[in-house]
Formats: sequence, structure tokens, C-alpha cells
Amino acid sequence: DGGITQSPKYLFRKEGQNVTLSCEQNLNHDAMYWYRQDPGQGLRLIYYSQIVNDFQKGDIAEGYSVSREKKESFPLTVTSAQKNPTAFYLCASSRVLGGTGNQPQHFGDGTRLSIL
Amino acid sequence: SQQGEEDPQALSIQEGENATMNCSYKTSINNLQWYRQNSGRGLVHLILIRSNEREKHSGRLRVTLDTSKKSSSLLITASRAADTASYFCATANTGGFKTIFGAGTRLFVKA
Repeated sequence: DGGITQSPKYLFRKEGQNVTLSCEQNLNHDAMYWYRQDPGQGLRLIYYSQIVNDFQKGDIAEGYSVSREKKESFPLTVTSAQKNPTAFYLCASSRVLGGTGNQPQHFGDGTRLSIL
Repeated sequence: SQQGEEDPQALSIQEGENATMNCSYKTSINNLQWYRQNSGRGLVHLILIRSNEREKHSGRLRVTLDTSKKSSSLLITASRAADTASYFCATANTGGFKTIFGAGTRLFVKA
């Protein structure tokens, strides 16, 4: 079955540490996204990628970094510069980016990041 | 910046009743989507309605779109306990390169 796999499900970060969240998709989608969700709130876009080797900052990119070396993979690194990293992180993909309007997105089951 | 805003923030109903959630948005859209999120899980796409459509059905779901009022509603008929989740509307920013999600409506269906 096609889908998006995020790992780990739970992650703990020590102060000053960088951590990387994994996101892999086998849907053959070109576009991928990272969102942050805080309790009781909607999703905020961190980064998005239209195609391999290309990515753009979203609304809250400070303290985060990404890479897109393979179509299937879009890992997110939460750096020590992100002072409030505790949140639920969701990765998503869509067939293409934009076009005639936003495309339906497929989501992974998230990674919950907490500070030790 | 938030485009879609759902109303109410929370809704509690009995099993078998209908649930209606509303979404308002600010700018012109090509389409509007509704998603469901079960607790601790990712979002699941439910339905997409295009700007030239006024109503769309999918099983027990009915979505309406009023572009003159910049609003949409999601109706779940004959609700079940399994419908307990948060529901989000989503629209695209100008150019359609970013999907913007509202804060969601938390629905609780009591058995």
C-alpha cells in the first residue's frame, strides 16, 4: 500500500541538540511538506518542496532545515536555534505543487517532539 | 496568516444526530478541502469542492460552498462515535503554492 511513513513516533531533544525527523513516501508524489501543529491549533507550514533538490521556506522556517536529495525522502532537522520545538510534526505529500489550486495532501502519522 | 477559520471550535452531539461545521475564508480560491484528524494521527483528506461547485456529497458527508460569502460547511449525517475527531478546512494562498489550514472544529460524538 502506498503511503507516508514518519519516524520516530516520539522524539526527545536535549538542549543544544539537533534532531532529525524522517519522512518517506512511496506515492511517487513530487511535492512534499512539513507542518508543525501545536495543541488545539491548526497546521503551520515549515518547509515545502516542489521537486527533488528544491525546497522553499514556509511561514515558520526559522530554526529548521530540510533536504530533498531523493523524491521519496524529505527529512526535517530541528536545530538548537529552535527554542520552542515541543510540538507535533506532520509530513505530507501531494502529486504536484500548486497548478490549478491546492492539491489533496496525504499525511504521515506524525512525530511528537519534546524537550528533555 | 490563517485563511480558513472553522466554527464552532468544539461540538458535542449524540450518536445519530447530524453535525454541521462551518469554514470562512478571506481570499479567492480555486477549491476548498476538508480533512479529518483523529487524536494523535495525521490528517486524512475527506473531500474537495471546486469554486464552480455549490454542493458535493460523499457517503454521509455533504459539503457546500458559497463563494459570495466566502464560506463552506461540512455536514455529517447520522453521526457515529467513530466520527469523533477534529475537522479542518483548507484553502490555497494566491498562486496555489501553499495550503492553509484553519484551527479546526473538534467533534465529539457520544455513544
